[in-house]
Parts: sequence; structure tokens; C-alpha cells
Amino acid sequence: GAGVSQSPRYKVTKRGQDVALRCDPISGHVSLYWYRQALGQGPEFLTYFNYEAQQDKSGLPNDRFSAERPEGSISTLTIQRTEQRDSAMYRCASSLGAGGPLGETQYFGPGTRLLVL
Amino acid sequence: GDSVTQMEGPVTLSEEAFLTINCTYTATGYPSLFWYVQYPGEGLQLLLKATKADDKGSNKGFEATYRKETTSFHLEKGSVQVSDSAVYFCALTGGSEKLVFGKGTKLTVNP
Repeated sequence: GAGVSQSPRYKVTKRGQDVALRCDPISGHVSLYWYRQALGQGPEFLTYFNYEAQQDKSGLPNDRFSAERPEGSISTLTIQRTEQRDSAMYRCASSLGAGGPLGETQYFGPGTRLLVL
Repeated sequence: GDSVTQMEGPVTLSEEAFLTINCTYTATGYPSLFWYVQYPGEGLQLLLKATKADDKGSNKGFEATYRKETTSFHLEKGSVQVSDSAVYFCALTGGSEKLVFGKGTKLTVNP
């Protein structure tokens, strides 16, 4: 596609429900990243993939959060048993290569705004 | 760990004023440095970047120079426009692929 797309754009859920957030990266991009952004803050890293392999999940806050990218393209971030503190903007980004010390540019999608009631 | 500190906003300027948004960083090794911008109602866009010391990134009249000696990457523009109103984020990638962001600085430019 022309850019990174995310769905849904807005999600309202009740506490205790599971949610799945989807990211469709730029076609051909190897690396895919998930970030979470609280209101008034900068995005914080959650996890990233090269192809289908999850390279780093150190930013996932607890075991209710998981992510997958089974075919090396679309990725899903799943939050189980949602809590009010999970409310935030969830952003996905992709980059062309596997990155490295030269700082591969990451291209961001529009984000999914999650509200847990 | 790696971190980015940028000046707190909000910043309000008149059109054609000079802009500086300060950014300093803490990182091991030699990070790459970025400025991202978020216009109202839109996603994050890369504004400019620099990958080694003394590099200058520039785009749309904005500039930032990678200063290793002062661990800084200040964003500047000589004459801002109303259309520059946005939130600006300084960020780095250090030894890993993840971006580490500052908290963001909201800029409002009045006509």
C-alpha cells in the first residue's frame, strides 16, 4: 500500500475484554514496530519484528500484551483482559531494511486510539 | 538506558519568528538522531535526521545539527509559518532498532 495502515482507528472496549489491533506495513518493508503513546507523552517502544521473527519484546508491559506477524507482513497486537490503564494511542511503524547503526527511517501509521471503560 | 530530553512547551510564536526547540540526549555509543512532527489530526512524520556527529539534517526550512560534544540536536527554523503548528518529537536509535522519543513540544504559530 501507499503507507502504513492501522485498524481500527478507534476502539472503545469494556474493562476485561480482549482487543486486537492490526497493522499493515508498507509493502516490502522488512521491519515492523509497535509503540504506545499516552496523552501528552512521546511514543514508547513495545516490540518489533524482522520478517515474521519477533526480535525484541522488552517494551511489552506485561504478559497481557502479545504481538505476532505470522507471514512477515500484517501484524496484530493483542491485549487480553484490558484495563483502564491500557487506554492510549497505539502506533505501528515499518522500515525498509533490518535497520542498523545508520538509523533506518521508520514510517508511522495513523494509530489506533484505544479507550478502556 | 538511552533517553531524550526536549524543551517543554507549549511554544507560541508569531508568523516569521525564529524557532528553536532544544533537544539533548543520553546514549551509549553513537546514536542516530531524528525529529518527527505530528500535524493536527495526522500521524507521525519524519521531519529530518542525522546519523553521525556534525551531520546537519534539513527539510522544509528546518535544520538540526548533531552535536556530539554537547549531546544535542536542537531544531531550528528561521521563519515559521502558521502551517508549522504541530507537535515536534526528538528521538534517537541507539544500539537497537527501537526509537526512543522525547515527550514532544507543541508549537503554535499565530498569524
